[in-house]
Amino acid sequence: GAGVSQSPRYKVTKRGQDVTLRCDPISSHATLYWYQQALGQGPEFLTYFNYEAQPDKSGLPSDRFSAERPEGSISTLTIQRTEQRDSAMYRCASSPGVGGSTDTQYFGPGTRLTVL
Amino acid sequence: GQQVMQIPQYQHVQEGEDFTTYCNSSTTLSNIQWYKQRPGGHPVFLIQLVKSGEVKKQKRLTFQFGEAKKNSSLHITATQTTDVGTYFCAGPPGAGSYQLTFGKGTKLSVIP
Repeated sequence: GAGVSQSPRYKVTKRGQDVTLRCDPISSHATLYWYQQALGQGPEFLTYFNYEAQPDKSGLPSDRFSAERPEGSISTLTIQRTEQRDSAMYRCASSPGVGGSTDTQYFGPGTRLTVL
Repeated sequence: GQQVMQIPQYQHVQEGEDFTTYCNSSTTLSNIQWYKQRPGGHPVFLIQLVKSGEVKKQKRLTFQFGEAKKNSSLHITATQTTDVGTYFCAGPPGAGSYQLTFGKGTKLSVIP
């Protein structure tokens, strides 16, 4: 595609519900990242994928958070039993290579999650 | 863990004035990247610096990487209203890391 897309753009849910966020990276991009961005803050790393492999989950705040990229393209981020502190912008980014932090990351528009 | 700090947090300038934001890392960086996020938008990559003491220019923007590779700066000459947004620096927490640690950003407002 032309750019990274994410859906939904906005999600309002009640505390305790599960939510799943979707990311469509730029076609053929090997690496996909998930970030959490609180208002007025910079993005915070959650996890990343090289194709379908997920080498680093260290940024996931708790075991309620999980991510998948089963076919090496589209990815989902699932938050189980949501809590109010999970409210944030969730951003996906992709990069073309597997070169690590030196690759340019292309960010999507984000999903604004509000947990009531 | 690694901390990346940016100052100032906010900056209001008159159009035509210069602007500088500073980025400091608690650890030596293999590279540093700068991103711009327009209001309501998403971070957009501006540039990457890799070498100690490196200076790169993009039109009115000048980026510098410190000699010790622990700090960086972004200077905008003669700001325009199109420069409005939040400028983030980001660097990896360790050699070979895929992660980027972002600073909190400097929010620039330009008064016409």
